[in-house]
Amino acid sequence: SYVLTQPPSVSVAPGKTARITCGGNNIGSKSVHWYQQKPGQAPVLVIYYDSDRPSGIPERFSGSNSGNTATLTISRVEAGDEADYYCQVWDSSSDHHWVFGGGTKLTVL
Amino acid sequence: EVQLVESGGGLVQPGGSLRLSCAASGFTFSSYSMNWVRQAPGKGLEWVSYISSSSSTIYYADSVKGRFTISRDNAKNSLYLQMNSLRAEDTAVYYCARGIAVAGTHAFDIWGQGTMVTVSS
Repeated sequence: SYVLTQPPSVSVAPGKTARITCGGNNIGSKSVHWYQQKPGQAPVLVIYYDSDRPSGIPERFSGSNSGNTATLTISRVEAGDEADYYCQVWDSSSDHHWVFGGGTKLTVL
Repeated sequence: EVQLVESGGGLVQPGGSLRLSCAASGFTFSSYSMNWVRQAPGKGLEWVSYISSSSSTIYYADSVKGRFTISRDNAKNSLYLQMNSLRAEDTAVYYCARGIAVAGTHAFDIWGQGTMVTVSS
């Protein structure tokens, strides 16, 4: 089955740029979605189809995907961005499963 | 307001059964695929099951195949998950999530608040 690998944690100072990676075999050939989950809350879709933002998501959130790595970039990080972030792809090669990465805890210093 | 509200969680003994429900409002339920996603305490997200808008296509994660059954009633704007032969490792918050089709794949754009299922003797 397809595996997505995320760093367990990323730390960044307020106002700086955070980059959260999601590694997978030839992930650039797949569409990657990103979710933000704050403690005690349901996940929220922040990026879909590699780099599109749903309505209501700030422009500070952007995404890219190439080769074996997809990246969620958060510019001008704010304290309110502190959360867990998950990448997701649809693995059509193995019985049509949706796969999530293990999640990355973003800490705003 | 677009909303999903889960219910039916609780404490159940190993080997027991439970039926979760998800009530949808604020959108045309029958036009969207739906999913169940779970999250064990302190762990990450795990996709559980998918059902297409017309119920014609259904998928399950290997971890629940043969034990869980997803269904929907478009007339009642409701999604269900029948869980049988429950195990301790099924303990989790269960979320229902709406699927949106994007370039041959699906993202989950609306999530419920979740319902807790605890499997323990």
